[in-house]
Amino acid sequence: GENVEQHPSTLSVQEGDSAVIKCTYSDSASNYFPWYKQELGKRPQLIIDIRSNVGEKKDQRIAVTLNKTAKHFSLHITETQPEDSAVYFCAAGENTGGFKTIFGAGTRLFVKA
Amino acid sequence: EAQVTQNPRYLITVTGKKLTVTCSQNMNHEYMSWYRQDPGLGLRQIYYSMNVEVTDKGDVPEGYKVSRKEKRNFPLILESPSPNQTSLYFCASAYRGEKLFFGSGTQLSVL
Repeated sequence: GENVEQHPSTLSVQEGDSAVIKCTYSDSASNYFPWYKQELGKRPQLIIDIRSNVGEKKDQRIAVTLNKTAKHFSLHITETQPEDSAVYFCAAGENTGGFKTIFGAGTRLFVKA
Repeated sequence: EAQVTQNPRYLITVTGKKLTVTCSQNMNHEYMSWYRQDPGLGLRQIYYSMNVEVTDKGDVPEGYKVSRKEKRNFPLILESPSPNQTSLYFCASAYRGEKLFFGSGTQLSVL
């Protein structure tokens, strides 16, 4: 079945460094790729998303890139801060009549002050 | 304030005792969905609904039921809960399935 693989499962960086999280999806029909951030004990919240007709999108310190040919997409966080510490989930969705969303297993990011 | 409200937040029950987790949204979203979150497995979709009276299975629908009689409500029903359904459950709503807005979650323990 459809699958989204996410790496790494854990990432530790020094404050001010960049963090990169990578995802690979299997369903060629996927056309929507959101990223969610979940702080400890809280609900997941959307931080950025990209559609299949766009290769890159940026919002302040966060950027997402998509390579449809390779079925890869990545989250880039620059100038990391302690409040960026959380679990990040990538997801791949397909909007063709219904809308199933497949999530990656998550990356726990630690930003050390 | 825009919100997705789930109840209860915590629930402990025993095997076989039917339960319902309620979910309500006030954003007039057409799309609603249920997920379960387990360590190392991320969020897995149980059921989703594109609109009133329209529901469809996600990846892990076995043992669950849903209904969508009103646009704002999307309850999750466990007819005969089993211990492997112990999990953290999230309801979410969205416009056309994009930009999901999640509820606060329901931690369910089935003994």
